[in-house]
Amino acid sequence: AQSVTQLDSHVSVSEGTPVLLRCNYSSSYSPSLFWYVQHPNKGLQLLLKYTSAATLVKGINGFEAEFKKSETSFHLTKPSAHMSDAAEYFCVVSDPSGYSTLTFGKGTMLLVSP
Amino acid sequence: GAVVSQHPSWVICKSGTSVKIECRSLDFQATTMFWYRQFPKQSLMLMATSNEGSKATYEQGVEKDKFLINHASLTLSTLTVTSAHPEDSSFYICSAHRDQETQYFGPGTRLLVL
Repeated sequence: AQSVTQLDSHVSVSEGTPVLLRCNYSSSYSPSLFWYVQHPNKGLQLLLKYTSAATLVKGINGFEAEFKKSETSFHLTKPSAHMSDAAEYFCVVSDPSGYSTLTFGKGTMLLVSP
Repeated sequence: GAVVSQHPSWVICKSGTSVKIECRSLDFQATTMFWYRQFPKQSLMLMATSNEGSKATYEQGVEKDKFLINHASLTLSTLTVTSAHPEDSSFYICSAHRDQETQYFGPGTRLLVL
């Protein structure tokens, strides 16, 4: 069985300050992990993925995430927030085959103020 | 990146009518597609896995006679909400596997049943 816990339902930052969205996972296997972003009334866009290669993963729009097996974490970070980053972010886990169903976290809403 | 489209993006219908939603993989073949449902301010809930040329696999609690899924080709899956009622109003999102590890999501279809 696998599960995902996003530790914050909402995160508020000011434009230009760092972003940290926290995610912990549980999996019986070495998982594949993903971060997706969803803007209002839109589908999900893949930000980045970890699939057992480098533990520090760089994604689009300046986001990156670090896989820490000892802490079972996969936190998403960005050095400097932009207004356009305001959206819902989902941490997702899949088993190693990748073809099984995805398990979604409940989402973290990122709010960016001027 | 891989492109998945959905049509229509918005649909409003009367209670008791049926609505068909199309999901297409535009630049790759997808033997497996997934249908999700998302309620306001909630995460995605997997409804069913759509397999090309065979019957869909439904998640527990999802009525297969209510939500008909057809995956007639490697680039098209359809979800038909039969005899729709107001409680079926939701945001429906499809996804498809392009490679073994990653699901790519469509932009979603918002259904409003009056």
